[in-house]
Amino acid sequence: SQKIEQNSEALNIQEGKTATLTCNYTNYSPAYLQWYRQDPGRGPVFLLLIRENEKEKRKERLKVTFDTTLKQSLFHITASQPADSATYLCALRENSGYALNFGKGTSLLVTP
Amino acid sequence: GAVVSQHPSWVICKSGTSVKIECRSLDFQATTMFWYRQFPKQSLMLMATSNEGSKATYEQGVEKDKFLINHASLTLSTLTVTSAHPEDSSFYICSAITPVSYEQYFGPGTRLTVT
Repeated sequence: SQKIEQNSEALNIQEGKTATLTCNYTNYSPAYLQWYRQDPGRGPVFLLLIRENEKEKRKERLKVTFDTTLKQSLFHITASQPADSATYLCALRENSGYALNFGKGTSLLVTP
Repeated sequence: GAVVSQHPSWVICKSGTSVKIECRSLDFQATTMFWYRQFPKQSLMLMATSNEGSKATYEQGVEKDKFLINHASLTLSTLTVTSAHPEDSSFYICSAITPVSYEQYFGPGTRLTVT
């Protein structure tokens, strides 16, 4: 069956450190992989999109890697800040359509 | 980034009544919009794909007669929950795809509570 797995445990890190979140998938052939941030009671906010032929993408303090052999994406936040505390969602899109398939998300808490 | 709005942000209705939720792409045209539902501490579940000018495509298990979708223009899609019941209480979120980059942007969500 198809699965998208993200760290189920909340990730607690200290301000200034790098947070690394993992997204593993099974039985998907994603054309795109997207990362979103979601705060409680709010819709997801788009962060980064990476295509299947891209290895890495950066945007300010954010970095995403995509390894289609390992079927894994890593999401890094460098120099983390308490304002980065939120739930981060990984979502896949296959070539067959535009709909996104979401993981359950990983909760990140950055403490001062 | 692109902006998607939803209205209302929250609504409380009585069992048996119908509720309409609007989703608008504010600064781009979206031929395709999506409706998702999210229960507490769960991931977003796709309900249906809304295509401008044609019938929506519903995911398995989603009743099309209960969740009516209309995508009448390139910037507006509506979801109507008909004869709402308490089990329909959830967080409903729409999204739209930008035409060039195919990035998908989400609205802020609508909290529906059926009493």
